[in-house]
Amino acid sequence: KAGVTQTPRYLIKTRGQQVTLSCSPISGHRSVSWYQQTPGQGLQFLFEYFSETQRNKGNFPGRFSGRQFSNSRSEMNVSTLELGDSALYLCASSPSRAGGPETQYFGPGTRLLVL
Amino acid sequence: QKEVEQDPGPLSVPEGAIVSLNCTYSNSAFQYFMWYRQYSRKGPELLMYTYSSGNKEDGRFTAQVDKSSKYISLFIRDSQPSDSATYLCAMTDITGGGNKLTFGTGTQLKVEL
Repeated sequence: KAGVTQTPRYLIKTRGQQVTLSCSPISGHRSVSWYQQTPGQGLQFLFEYFSETQRNKGNFPGRFSGRQFSNSRSEMNVSTLELGDSALYLCASSPSRAGGPETQYFGPGTRLLVL
Repeated sequence: QKEVEQDPGPLSVPEGAIVSLNCTYSNSAFQYFMWYRQYSRKGPELLMYTYSSGNKEDGRFTAQVDKSSKYISLFIRDSQPSDSATYLCAMTDITGGGNKLTFGTGTQLKVEL
């Protein structure tokens, strides 16, 4: 079974631009979560989508948004990019069959550099 | 202060050594505890998953949770150069449902020949 895929793998943008990142979960997985990873802050939870609805949200500004499609694929968007948005953006999927936390499978990430 | 604290290292040990990695946390609602391993330029992969206090063993890896002290550990026996990676602790509760994980910043481990 194919793993979680993320596109693009690398991206360079300038301040003020916006960016859209894409994530395809493992086949059959219905939950997709997004995380930001930086050297100083580590991995920080952005949001989780399940059945096209945002189920959980982290403490990030409204410039960070996401959505999930009916096939469980997800996109996240960052508007008005700032230098501090440079990071590795990781997507994780899980089956979400049970009510409690589950094993999450991470993709390789999209490395975003904001100049 | 962060909810989860983890010594960033780097930690360098000789091959065959026992490695101890630790995290402390402040949120008493955390009930599920995980350890992830992340190789350079890869996404994290789950190593161990434990619920509440106690020990769990899987091959060379042992996870310990002490909820009374808000302290979790991962032990690696007979460490190998292939264990060289960043180890991340993560935890969550179920009050909000779903899969919101809170991570430590990671400990970089190097196992030398």
